[in-house]
Amino acid sequence: EDQVTQSPEALRLQEGESSSLNCSYTVSGLRGLFWYRQDPGKGPEFLFTLYSAGEEKEKERLKATLTKKESFLHITAPKPEDSATYLCAVRLDAGGTSYGKLTFGQGTILTVHP
Amino acid sequence: GAVVSQHPSRVICKSGTSVKIECRSLDFQATTMFWYRQFPKKSLMLMATSNEGSKATYEQGVEKDKFLINHASLTLSTLTVTSAHPEDSSFYICSALQGQSYGYTFGSGTRLTVV
Repeated sequence: EDQVTQSPEALRLQEGESSSLNCSYTVSGLRGLFWYRQDPGKGPEFLFTLYSAGEEKEKERLKATLTKKESFLHITAPKPEDSATYLCAVRLDAGGTSYGKLTFGQGTILTVHP
Repeated sequence: GAVVSQHPSRVICKSGTSVKIECRSLDFQATTMFWYRQFPKKSLMLMATSNEGSKATYEQGVEKDKFLINHASLTLSTLTVTSAHPEDSSFYICSALQGQSYGYTFGSGTRLTVV
């Protein structure tokens, strides 16, 4: 069964304290791994898409990496405004009625204290 | 960038009535749209996938007669919650896919409260 698991469920950091969020997946036919940020009461905001093992992408204080079994979202010197829920999702190599479906992990709630 | 407009952002309705939620892609044509439901502090649960001009494909356990999805054009999809009950109260989010090579754009969500 295809699964996407994020850890930790919640993470509390002090401002400036770097850390990483994990997204592990057991799927076949990965066609993309996506990272999103979601603020309370809002829809997910796109951060990154990774397609193959070894790929890395960066945006400001965030860096996403991908291996064959997991992805990490590294947060360097976080600020309070980085507080949000971070979601990862995978797109599988499935056609027909499953075309384009994303399977989401449970999310990591990040809180950054000043 | 691509923008998806979702309306209303909040709605309160009486038990037994129906509510329609709209999802529009503003600056692109969405080949496929997705509808999700999200419970408090939980992740997104896919309800259904809709393609323009076709019947929606519902996920297992989602009542198609309760959650009616219409994708009449390449820029508009609607979700109608029929005969709503308090247990239908939730946060509903739509997402649009611009084609195989593009990403997914999410709407801002609709908070439905059934009283």
